[in-house]
Amino acid sequence: GAGVSQSPSNKVTEKGKDVELRCDPISGHTALYWYRQSLGQGLEFLIYFQGNSAPDKSGLPSDRFSAERTGGSVSTLTIQRTQQEDSAVYLCASSLSLNEQFFGPGTRLTVL
Amino acid sequence: AQSVTQLGSHVSVSEGALVLLRCNYSSSVPPYLFWYVQYPNQGLQLLLKYTSAATLVKGINGFEAEFKKSETSFHLTKPSAHMSDAAEYFCAVSVQGRDDKIIFGKGTRLHILP
Repeated sequence: GAGVSQSPSNKVTEKGKDVELRCDPISGHTALYWYRQSLGQGLEFLIYFQGNSAPDKSGLPSDRFSAERTGGSVSTLTIQRTQQEDSAVYLCASSLSLNEQFFGPGTRLTVL
Repeated sequence: AQSVTQLGSHVSVSEGALVLLRCNYSSSVPPYLFWYVQYPNQGLQLLLKYTSAATLVKGINGFEAEFKKSETSFHLTKPSAHMSDAAEYFCAVSVQGRDDKIIFGKGTRLHILP
């Protein structure tokens, strides 16, 4: 079956522009996570969706970052007024509660 | 809240030597524990997981990890390192009933010396 997919795979944008990153989780997975991976920084948790519960936004670094998950499936991470420090690989993962997380290939964001 | 600490952001071992990557967790209730691996230019994949069954867990590629409650540890080992083991390894913890969120450590990059 299909795994987690993310689009675009690469995104280059200019400082100050808004970007949207998309994640398609595995069908039926109730949990969806967004992470940011910067060089030498490991995995930084951003936001977590679980079923119909309110999302855990505790990892979002600033109010320029937001995410939504429509119909319990597809998720979009939006970064407004991008800054150079936002450059990183953004990873999405989905899971069935506490079971294994399945990761997408990531979106590499470069802010010029 | 639960947390996980990986000791050593970089570890180097010689080919054929023992691999030991350290992970300690913090949780007030029995946790679920995971090790993930990320090979160069690839996504993360699960190596192994502990979910309160056997304390010694075997994973893919000859890796194993032992859950030690008294030490709050879940160290990853492999008896003999291979060049193909060079990658970044992440330890993760989750706690059932506590919003089920999975928390990752900062990762350990494993270097294999010829």
